[in-house]
Amino acid sequence: QKEVEQNSGPLSVPEGAIASLNCTYSDRGSQSFFWYRQYSGKSPELIMFIYSNGDKEDGRFTAQLNKASQYVSLLIRDSQPSDSATYLCAVYSSASKIIFGSGTRLSIRP
Amino acid sequence: DTAVSQTPKYLVTQMGNDKSIKCEQNLGHDTMYWYKQDSKKFLKIMFSYNNKELIINETVPNRFSPKSPDKAHLNLHINSLELGDSAVYFCASSRSTGKAGNTIYFGEGSWLTVV
Repeated sequence: QKEVEQNSGPLSVPEGAIASLNCTYSDRGSQSFFWYRQYSGKSPELIMFIYSNGDKEDGRFTAQLNKASQYVSLLIRDSQPSDSATYLCAVYSSASKIIFGSGTRLSIRP
Repeated sequence: DTAVSQTPKYLVTQMGNDKSIKCEQNLGHDTMYWYKQDSKKFLKIMFSYNNKELIINETVPNRFSPKSPDKAHLNLHINSLELGDSAVYFCASSRSTGKAGNTIYFGEGSWLTVV
């Protein structure tokens, strides 16, 4: 079992719709959870982090964390073509390492 | 000003050569990292230093040797380069305290191609 799992996609969403990206993790002792966006040929950039159960909203982005289910998700409202990128889920594990999933490729179609 | 900068950005070299990638951060962070991203975009940690001390050393061939002269710099030296070393190498840094302090900030990446 991979430590951080994501569906590789591609996930195709129409412009203006909600994009839902999911991530599961294996280490129950994980403390912090991050979503990064990576455009092709660029470095990952932080979108948001979450460490408490529930929802955290930042503009069009909402991160959701459920530690009991070991599940974290990212919702993107009013999807724009500029949101087309690879989204990386990252977890700060109990071994004091930040471990990344393999990413989900998101494509927003006009 | 670039927060995490690494050089060179592109590097093409022959098998068997030795090369180095340099990294510097001006964020005042205590922890620095090297990550490798392969052709399938999987981002895997290689090394982590906290205040010049090695704290994470993943299963990486001995040909890879990190060096941190101070907490703002972390260099990566690779001996006897192999074709499989071709990848993007990202330097990164983070504050090491608190949950939000674990947020990693990446450099722009160094594209290494071994021919």
